[in-house]
Formats: sequence, C-alpha cells, structure tokens
Amino acid sequence: EVQLVESGGGLVQPGGSLRLSCAASGFTFSSYEMNWVRQAPGKGLEWLSYIRTSGIPIYYADSVKGRFTISRDNAKNSLYLQMNSLRAEDTALYYCAREAKQWLVAGAFDYWGQGTLVTVSS
Amino acid sequence: QSVVTQPPSASGTPGQRVTISCSGSSSNIGSNTVNWYQQLPGTAPKLLIYNINQRPSGVPDRFSGSKSGTSASLAISGLQSEDEADYYCAAWDDSLNGYVFGTGTKVTVL
Repeated sequence: EVQLVESGGGLVQPGGSLRLSCAASGFTFSSYEMNWVRQAPGKGLEWLSYIRTSGIPIYYADSVKGRFTISRDNAKNSLYLQMNSLRAEDTALYYCAREAKQWLVAGAFDYWGQGTLVTVSS
Repeated sequence: QSVVTQPPSASGTPGQRVTISCSGSSSNIGSNTVNWYQQLPGTAPKLLIYNINQRPSGVPDRFSGSKSGTSASLAISGLQSEDEADYYCAAWDDSLNGYVFGTGTKVTVL
C-alpha cells in the first residue's frame, strides 16, 4: 500500500525555520517525481515545489522561491522541505504528493499524504 | 491569487448535472494538459481526472472532463450527496515554470 506521511510541522515565530519530512512507503520512491502543496486555513490549494527522481531539476512557486528548499534522499525514501524566513502567510497544511508516472502526464498527483500543519505566529 | 480561475460555488439537486469551469491562459491550460482533484471535507485531495478527460481506476464515470482552448471543464452527471466537496483544476504553466491550481469550486448538493 502506497503511503506518504508528513512530519515536522508546528508553531514557529516569524522569521524562523522548519524542516518538513515526507516518509514514503509501498512503492519505489526513487522512481517517482515528488511535489509539495499547501493549503492555508479555509483557502485553496497552492503548489509549492517539484523535484525529479534524481534531484534535478527543481522548480518553485514564486511565493517561496529563495526561502524554501526541496530535497530528497532516495536511500531513505524521504522527501524534505526546508523552510526559512517564515511569514504569517506561510501558515498552512503542507502536503507531499506523488506524481503518477504510469500515464506519462504532467501534474497528475495520484497519492497525497495527510498533511502537516505549520503555524507561523509570535 | 491563482492565474487559473474557477467559480467559487456550484450546486444542484441529486441526479442533476453540474459543470465546473476552469479558465486559464495560453501558458497553462492553452498549452498543457489539465488534471482535476476532489477534496472532501477534512481530507487530502484526490486525483479525479487526469490528462483532460481520463479517469483513474475507481472514479465513477459520472465524472468527465473536457478542454477547449484556454479553458477546461469538469462535469458531474447524476449528482450524488457524496459528491459534495471542493474541486480544483490544475495545469503546468510554461511562464511560471511550475504547476498552478485553480481557485477551487465548492459543490453543494441541495
């Protein structure tokens, strides 16, 4: 069974940092492109970042470029999101999502984690 | 603010057909495929439609997708109470070099 489990969320002060993790199981993690997506309370989905199987290329949304860093450790079946210079507007539920590869279609996120909540507040 | 817009809400009675629009531009929907997601209350999003009009295994054929130019649509025929959810379209944007989600549409079953 495919599972994605996010962790690392919590309360952080503005300007602070957090590192989110996404533990993958039930599939060959190294063969799949991965993404981070967030959802602010009561708001819609916002795509944040993409990473290819090998770690390159990487793409970011303008809203987090220069502050967030996506990475992966295929040996540990894990995806990460290092978040620096956090702002109140970064408060959201953060999801990791697997990009389906069987259909050769960009952006088809076929599995999602349950999310980890990040709250940025003083 | 997303560059892909959807109506904030749509509604229908059980059995009716509901259509949700997704309006983008030449850099996203106009030149790339579209995927749709369903988010039931309190849960993670679920892939509903991929590659404009394809349904993953397990998705009822009541759900269908289409695309024309810089717009896409999701149709739900034979609306059921369990279809009450938020729906999002998404596509790659060549100008932004990233994915964009639509603003989302809340479907209510009256």
